[in-house]
Amino acid sequence: DVKVTQSSRYLVKRTGEKVFLECVQDMDHENMFWYRQDPGLGLRLIYFSYDVKMKEKGDIPEGYSVSREKKERFSLILESASTNQTSMYLCASSWTGGADTQYFGPGTRLTVL
Amino acid sequence: DAKTTQPPSMDCAEGRAANLPCNHSTISGNEYVYWYRQIHSQGPQYIIHGLKNNETNEMASLIITEDRKSSTLILPHATLRDTAVYYCIVRGNTPLVFGKGTRLSVIA
Repeated sequence: DVKVTQSSRYLVKRTGEKVFLECVQDMDHENMFWYRQDPGLGLRLIYFSYDVKMKEKGDIPEGYSVSREKKERFSLILESASTNQTSMYLCASSWTGGADTQYFGPGTRLTVL
Repeated sequence: DAKTTQPPSMDCAEGRAANLPCNHSTISGNEYVYWYRQIHSQGPQYIIHGLKNNETNEMASLIITEDRKSSTLILPHATLRDTAVYYCIVRGNTPLVFGKGTRLSVIA
């Protein structure tokens, strides 16, 4: 079975802190994705990566950056956390460019105070 | 990517079949129909996908109309654990775009 893990289920940070959200997949998938989910807005794509050291902006990249130094790991970085970044963050991975099935991690619920 | 239209909510009696409709009238020839579900406080879970033909797996069946403008996800014997939000997504070679889905409540 595909396994996508995220470093924390719950995280509380203060405004202005630098926050790292880690995602690891164990199926040698080329593609990895970061989404955020908010009530009434659904899931929105922040960034994705088709290969190591490659990244593409999604629909809402502002305030975020990403890092993919190894194939199995995709990190989402909040350079200076703000209260409007309080959300559920979901990581996903898949085999090919985008048409293949995406598998999701359990999510990290981030609260920024 | 083509957009989809789903009813916001549905109820289903436990043990009965749950039929979840989805309209995607602007679907292109190379776009697939995907279904995911999200149980409360969990990440989305892949259910099934198809291009033209009907598909079945251990979780569900997918019926796609001949003109491909709509589809139906069928959970043959719904259980309480099937209570979730179900997303119908039409996509080509791009990341998933989630709409608001259908909130399915399975009632004992």
